[in-house]
Amino acid sequence: GAVVSQHPSWVICKSGTSVKIECRSLDFQATTMFWYRQFPKQSLMLMATSNEGSKATYEQGVEKDKFLINHASLTLSTLTVTSAHPEDSSFYICSARGAGATDTQYFGPGTRLTVL
Amino acid sequence: LAKTTQPISMDSYEGQEVNITCSHNNIATNDYITWYQQFPSQGPRFIIQGYKTKVTNEVASLFIPADRKSSTLSLPRVSLSDTAVYYCLVGDVGDSSYKLIFGSGTRLLVRP
Repeated sequence: GAVVSQHPSWVICKSGTSVKIECRSLDFQATTMFWYRQFPKQSLMLMATSNEGSKATYEQGVEKDKFLINHASLTLSTLTVTSAHPEDSSFYICSARGAGATDTQYFGPGTRLTVL
Repeated sequence: LAKTTQPISMDSYEGQEVNITCSHNNIATNDYITWYQQFPSQGPRFIIQGYKTKVTNEVASLFIPADRKSSTLSLPRVSLSDTAVYYCLVGDVGDSSYKLIFGSGTRLLVRP
């Protein structure tokens, strides 16, 4: 099956710093990538959708200046959490889908962010 | 997007068959049904996807009645490692703007 990787798998940072998370589709070209966050014991919450070469579309309530998304190539999308605060601590998961008619989404393993 | 309803939790024992039913009364003509499995601190894993009747792969079967207003994920002979949260999602996977909106899922606990 299709493989999506994320890096890093976990990160601890100080409040006020910025953190970048990478999402890569390893064996297919991802025309669209998605970013989710998940709090303990809760479901995934979609943050934004990004298409290669264009600006991301953010879900209501998600600050685009806080969560910068770049989708510069068909295999790489990045999420940068700017000026991170403890309330940004969460599990961030990306997914990717190809351009086929019934292409499904494949998820990365997730990145655990802890802001001290 | 069609709203889905599935049980919050289910219990089973090793070796049993588990059937998780999802209701999606407002499913649209072009919508597909997709199931994902998620373990703690991992990203969701694709299990199976179908449009109508029955789909089977190496890990599960998906049964979809003619009216497509519900679907049932069937896990044969579950083991302890099948303890996870299972999500049912419905949408037009052929639409380039299609995005997955996750509900609460079904928390399956498999006991020895």
